[in-house]
Amino acid sequence: NAGVMQNPRHLVRRRGQEARLRCSPMKGHSHVYWYRQLPEEGLKFMVYLQKENIIDESGMPKERFSAEFPKEGPSILRIQQVVRGDSAAYFCASSRETGWSSYNEQFFGPGTRLTVL
Amino acid sequence: GNSVTQMEGPVTLSEEAFLTINCTYTATGYPSLFWYVQYPGEGLQLLLKATKADDKGSNKGFEATYRKETTSFHLEKGSVQVSDSAVYFCALILGLSGGYNKLIFGAGTRLAVHP
Repeated sequence: NAGVMQNPRHLVRRRGQEARLRCSPMKGHSHVYWYRQLPEEGLKFMVYLQKENIIDESGMPKERFSAEFPKEGPSILRIQQVVRGDSAAYFCASSRETGWSSYNEQFFGPGTRLTVL
Repeated sequence: GNSVTQMEGPVTLSEEAFLTINCTYTATGYPSLFWYVQYPGEGLQLLLKATKADDKGSNKGFEATYRKETTSFHLEKGSVQVSDSAVYFCALILGLSGGYNKLIFGAGTRLAVHP
């Protein structure tokens, strides 16, 4: 059973360009979470999505950042007009459903490391 | 607010040494507590968890006990191996039983084990 897939693993952008990060959840998982890890810091929650719905985007910067999880295809985190401060590792996690039990664990992908030049 | 505080790293140990990584939390309500491990270049993996006071989570020789009175969830291992070298994150979730899983992480503690 394949785990959470993220691509690309590494992404380099120049200031002002757009970055698109993709996350394919585990099979059977309909809940996706995005976290950002700045250098030498812990992960910070950004957004929680279910299929076609944004449930909680309280951790997303108000401008330039957006996320979607369409009915078909991967979840996308989009960063427009990137700045150097956006350089970080972006992790996606998926779970089967909300609440917590042995089936509701969040499984993390390997992350996308974004570097803004 | 809700937060997790971990001891700063790096922690450097010799193989077979005893490991403690301190973690304390601040939370409204009754959180569930977790330890995640991140090996170099990889995503986070759940190491162990505890969902209520006095629960002990354990896995791969690691243990942590949920102490409500001291709001702590310290990670311990009796004898570390070189392969345990990684970054360890303490985390909490609020809202079981229907609340969604927004993990709140500590800053992480890097562990380096030498032969």
